[in-house]
Amino acid sequence: RKEVEQDPGPFNVPEGATVAFNCTYSNSASQSFFWYRQDCRKEPKLLMSVYSSGNEDGRFTAQLNRASQYISLLIRDSKLSDSATYLCVALYGNKLVFGAGTILRVKS
Amino acid sequence: DAEITQSPRHKITETGRQVTLACHQTWNHNNMFWYRQDLGHGLRLIHYSYGVQDTNKGEVSDGYSVSRSNTEDLPLTLESAASSQTSVYFCASSESVFSGSGNEQFFGPGTRLTVL
Repeated sequence: RKEVEQDPGPFNVPEGATVAFNCTYSNSASQSFFWYRQDCRKEPKLLMSVYSSGNEDGRFTAQLNRASQYISLLIRDSKLSDSATYLCVALYGNKLVFGAGTILRVKS
Repeated sequence: DAEITQSPRHKITETGRQVTLACHQTWNHNNMFWYRQDLGHGLRLIHYSYGVQDTNKGEVSDGYSVSRSNTEDLPLTLESAASSQTSVYFCASSESVFSGSGNEQFFGPGTRLTVL
């Protein structure tokens, strides 16, 4: 079993839609989680950090469920510019472990 | 503004050659990391460093080495390049590696390496 698992997608949604991704992690000791965004052929960029039960930043909401060991990312009012790959990341000990990513395509 | 840069951005080399990829950060972060990214895989950790003269192996370190002589730089060397090392390589740095704020990693733009 992979340490961090994500549905690879792609998720194809119309502009204005709400979309949610889930990510599961295997190590219950992990304390910190992140969502990164990666555009095609570019470097990952930090979208949100999740240290407690969740975090919200504008249209983006991340939630952490420690009992079920998953993190979710909710994007409201999707924009064309939200099209990207979203990477779920967990801090294990002192190293980050990355999921393979979920592809989002927002269409007009 | 602080940043992290990588060079070269693209490199084509031949099997068996030694290749060095440069990574330079001006964040003054103690922690630096090298990852490779391949289709179907998440980013996989190659080597990392927690400070000057400190280096550690990651999950896919075979065939790679790093050295840390100052805070700003962590060059990655492929001792004898193999076709299996064709990949995109990302360097990253962070202020902290422990739970809590400051452990987010910031990435360089990447180096696309092709080994023929």
